[in-house]
Amino acid sequence: QKEVEQDPGPLSVPEGAIVSLNCTYSNSAFQYFMWYRQYSRKGPELLMYTYSSGNKEDGRFTAQVDKSSKYISLFIRDSQPSDSATYLCAMPPSTDSWGKLQFGAGTQVVVTP
Amino acid sequence: DVKVTQSSRYLVKRTGEKVFLECVQDMDHENMFWYRQDPGLGLRLIYFSYDVKMKEKGDIPEGYSVSREKKERFSLILESASTNQTSMYLCASSSQGPDTQYFGPGTRLTVL
Repeated sequence: QKEVEQDPGPLSVPEGAIVSLNCTYSNSAFQYFMWYRQYSRKGPELLMYTYSSGNKEDGRFTAQVDKSSKYISLFIRDSQPSDSATYLCAMPPSTDSWGKLQFGAGTQVVVTP
Repeated sequence: DVKVTQSSRYLVKRTGEKVFLECVQDMDHENMFWYRQDPGLGLRLIYFSYDVKMKEKGDIPEGYSVSREKKERFSLILESASTNQTSMYLCASSSQGPDTQYFGPGTRLTVL
């Protein structure tokens, strides 16, 4: 079983809708949680990251962590066609292992005009 | 503006060939990484390096080797390419500690 599970999608939504993405993980030692966005034919880029449980908001993006359920979410409000991309969650196994990020498989999001 | 560059965007090689993929970063980062990305499997770490001439195996090192002679350059070597190594290869770099990894654009390798 993979340490980080993520539904690959695709997830298709109309422009303006809320996009809801999530990952589950099995290692309770994970404390930092990252979301990367990858456009087609490009490398991933960091969107936002959170520490421990709670919410973090950045513009139209909100990241949520529920450590008790080992579940993280990313919400995109007022989605735009430019949000069409693959979204990957990632977690370092410990603060001594920042390099060895565990990635989810990525969820492909398509926002239709 | 941070930059990670990879030597080729697309590469086609034959089975048994030796393949070199090169990655250069201009951010003076200590850490550099090589991943492969396959549909449904996500990003899988092949090797990483935390200093010049230092390397550590990732999750799937079999069939690959790496070289880091200079801080800014990290090479991935396929000693004898096989068809199951057809994939997207992504290089990344980061500084020490809680920092994001910066990715290159990727090399799509096809082994025939």
